[in-house]
Amino acid sequence: DAKTTQPPSMDCAEGRAANLPCNHSTISGNEYVYWYRQIHSQGPQYIIHGLKNNETNEMASLIITEDRKSSTLILPHATLRDTAVYYCIVGYSTLTFGKGTMLLVSP
Amino acid sequence: DGGITQSPKYLFRKEGQNVTLSCEQNLNHDAMYWYRQDPGQGLRLIYYSQIVNDFQKGDIAEGYSVSREKKESFPLTVTSAQKNPTAFYLCASGGDRLQNTEAFFGQGTRLTVV
Repeated sequence: DAKTTQPPSMDCAEGRAANLPCNHSTISGNEYVYWYRQIHSQGPQYIIHGLKNNETNEMASLIITEDRKSSTLILPHATLRDTAVYYCIVGYSTLTFGKGTMLLVSP
Repeated sequence: DGGITQSPKYLFRKEGQNVTLSCEQNLNHDAMYWYRQDPGQGLRLIYYSQIVNDFQKGDIAEGYSVSREKKESFPLTVTSAQKNPTAFYLCASGGDRLQNTEAFFGQGTRLTVV
């Protein structure tokens, strides 16, 4: 499975867009990029996934670069409830998590 | 109500005792996973199963055992051989990337060994 690199922490003001980057330079041609988040002491929650094209759902948008070596998760209007650890995952065989990015949304 | 259920939410055991954590899903998923999470850390994969009657070791399988006799159930046994069993344990199902499906997680079992 491809490895991912994410910044350990990020800050965002409430109401602003939160842009969370992920590098996955060893991603294979057919591997999807998945994003999950984990609010303290709960099980992780699926957010969004994509292969090549940009994706949007009610929670977030996912921007994948043309060479697919990196992606950005966008929370368009962050709220205090978006404070969580965000995980970017790629790969086929196992659901392997890295350390993720701790996003702190402040008033 | 469909989903994935872990029980119990909190579990206390004495050192040296084996303990089994339950994970049940009614989502008809083939794949199931067990993770361990320590305070301030990410999720580490213990075991996973892609299909009934088959399972594979993850990154930290030592001191743990699993079974997958039924599609909907994937119990995890924490044995006395696990040196530091106190942790938050998470079970997941789905997440089959070949079929482009996301994973669903239970709410976890917090195990404390005293």
